[in-house]
Amino acid sequence: EPEVTQTPSHQVTQMGQEVILRCVPISNHLYFYWYRQILGQKVEFLVSFYNNEISEKSEIFDDQFSVERPDGSNFTLKIRSTKLEDSAMYFCASSERPLASGANVLTFGAGSRLTVL
Amino acid sequence: GQQVMQIPQYQHVQEGEDFTTYCNSSTTLSNIQWYKQRPGGHPVFLIQLVKSGEVKKQKRLTFQFGEAKKNSSLHITATQTTDVGTYFCAGPGGDSSYKLIFGSGTRLLVRP
Repeated sequence: EPEVTQTPSHQVTQMGQEVILRCVPISNHLYFYWYRQILGQKVEFLVSFYNNEISEKSEIFDDQFSVERPDGSNFTLKIRSTKLEDSAMYFCASSERPLASGANVLTFGAGSRLTVL
Repeated sequence: GQQVMQIPQYQHVQEGEDFTTYCNSSTTLSNIQWYKQRPGGHPVFLIQLVKSGEVKKQKRLTFQFGEAKKNSSLHITATQTTDVGTYFCAGPGGDSSYKLIFGSGTRLLVRP
């Protein structure tokens, strides 16, 4: 079964450092997403991406965050200067069609755990 | 902004007992989806409901979408230890086709 793959599975970084989290969405999916989940809490929407541009972003997704699809297969999330509160599990997801179409769902990757010290 | 709340936050049951989680949205939803997240895992899609009043079953799991399309429920009959995890409802964010808002989740623990 097709899956979304994410790397690294766990990254430890010092506060203020840049981090890039990588994702390979399912190949025929056109819509890509990043979510984060602070330990024990709910899954929070960060950003969605379609047709090589951001479709929507949350208030969490401030100027420290950026996304990119550099080569047609990878989808990356960059955090420019990490803060302690960025420590969380970051999930990449993809969908074949728009979510509100009533016909589509998210497939999540296994996640990248970010620990900021 | 749109809020999706679930109750209860936690439920601890004896294996064989039933379990229900309730989901309420502050806005009408075009569809509602349910995901399960095993401990240490990622959310995995369970089901999608689209029609007002719709009821769907998956073995011991029964999903319902409210008439007003603002609430939903998941009922598990005769829980098993494999049902352990957090159950999230999720719906499209407002008119957006590009955002799925997750509920606060209900964590289910099952005593063997």
